[in-house]
Amino acid sequence: KNQVEQSPQSLIILEGKNCTLQCNYTVSPFSNLRWYKQDTGRGPVSLTIMTFSENTKSNGRYTATLDADTKQSSLHITASQLSDSASYICVASSGGYNKLIFGAGTRLAVHP
Amino acid sequence: GAVVSQHPSWVICKSGTSVKIECRSLDFQATTMFWYRQFPKQSLMLMATSNEGSKATYEQGVEKDKFLINHASLTLSTLTVTSAHPEDSSFYICSARDFGQTGRNTEAFFGQGTRLTVV
Repeated sequence: KNQVEQSPQSLIILEGKNCTLQCNYTVSPFSNLRWYKQDTGRGPVSLTIMTFSENTKSNGRYTATLDADTKQSSLHITASQLSDSASYICVASSGGYNKLIFGAGTRLAVHP
Repeated sequence: GAVVSQHPSWVICKSGTSVKIECRSLDFQATTMFWYRQFPKQSLMLMATSNEGSKATYEQGVEKDKFLINHASLTLSTLTVTSAHPEDSSFYICSARDFGQTGRNTEAFFGQGTRLTVV
């Protein structure tokens, strides 16, 4: 069964601190791994997309890693800001263009 | 970048009435759009795949007569929740991909979402 699991479910950090979110996926055939940021009451916004041949990809203060062998990915946020408070969703793409398997998300709260 | 616009952003309707949600791709042609439903603190659940000029493909357990999808043009798909009931209250999100441009064809762009409350 194709599935994506994320941890932790929620996380509270202080402004300026770093954090790492985890994602494990069981998807076959695997196409690519995506991270999205979803603000409350809004649609998801893409942060990174990685194929199986890519190990790391950065987007500003966001750095995603991918280990296709262990089927694990992480999203590292550096020097967190209050605006980083959101849900972060890990999504694995299977096969062709149409199938996206969503994780439940990690709800991050950045406190001053 | 590509933009997908969804309207309305929120709607409150009475039980038994129908509600239409629009999803537009603003700077590309979307032959395929996707409709998702999201309950609080849960992940997005694919409801149906909307194909321009043909019938939508519904996921298992989604009532096609309840959730009517129309994709009459390459830039517009609509989702109509018919005879809405309180249990239909949820956050509905559309998505589209720009298959026409190399390098961008793996990106999925999401609308802003529509908060439906049925009273």
